Amino acid sequence: EVQLVESGGTLVQPGGSLRLSCAASGLTVNSNYMSWVRQAPGKGLEWVSTIYSGGTTYYPDSVKGRFTISRDDSKNTLFLQMNSLRAEDTAVYYCARESGYYAYWGQGTLVTVSS
Amino acid sequence: EIVMTQSPATLSVSPGERATLSCRASQSVSSNLAWYQQKPGQAPRLLIYGTSTRATGVPARFSGSGSGTEFTLTISSLQSEDFAVYYCQQYNNWPALTFGGGTKVEIK
Repeated sequence: EVQLVESGGTLVQPGGSLRLSCAASGLTVNSNYMSWVRQAPGKGLEWVSTIYSGGTTYYPDSVKGRFTISRDDSKNTLFLQMNSLRAEDTAVYYCARESGYYAYWGQGTLVTVSS
Repeated sequence: EIVMTQSPATLSVSPGERATLSCRASQSVSSNLAWYQQKPGQAPRLLIYGTSTRATGVPARFSGSGSGTEFTLTISSLQSEDFAVYYCQQYNNWPALTFGGGTKVEIK
């Protein structure tokens, strides 16, 4: 059974930094395309980043240069380093296994950017 | 970026009735279209991929159709557990995957 468990979400001030983690079981992170998807309160879903099995990374313009996706193969864990955070980054952040569509999702972790 | 537009924003349906949800893409996505169901406080759940293939464990009352820019999710006979928000998502323009704004299916 695939399980993805996110952690690290909290309240952070604008301009601050935060690192989210996603511990995986039932799948090998470095053998899959893994993504972060976010959902602002009461809003829809937005793709945030993807890392290929080969290590190539992708971001939309809204977070490019501020967010970095990475993984620790020894811990089978996915990360999202978020810098220069803005109020509009406030959202629940989900990690998901991507194969075009997202078949497996974690339960999400809430990031609130506010002073 | 491919913009996905869902309609209606809210659909009021009585239990046992049929629900038809629409999703339109700003350009062709071929058959690379998925649907998700999301209940309050939960992560989205994959229902349909490849326009019409049900994900594992999804009841047969859920069906998807369409191609190119026009897609439909049909729930043949709504059950109480089906009242939720539904999102479509294109994966033709990879890696810039985009979602529709969602359709909330509520009890009439």
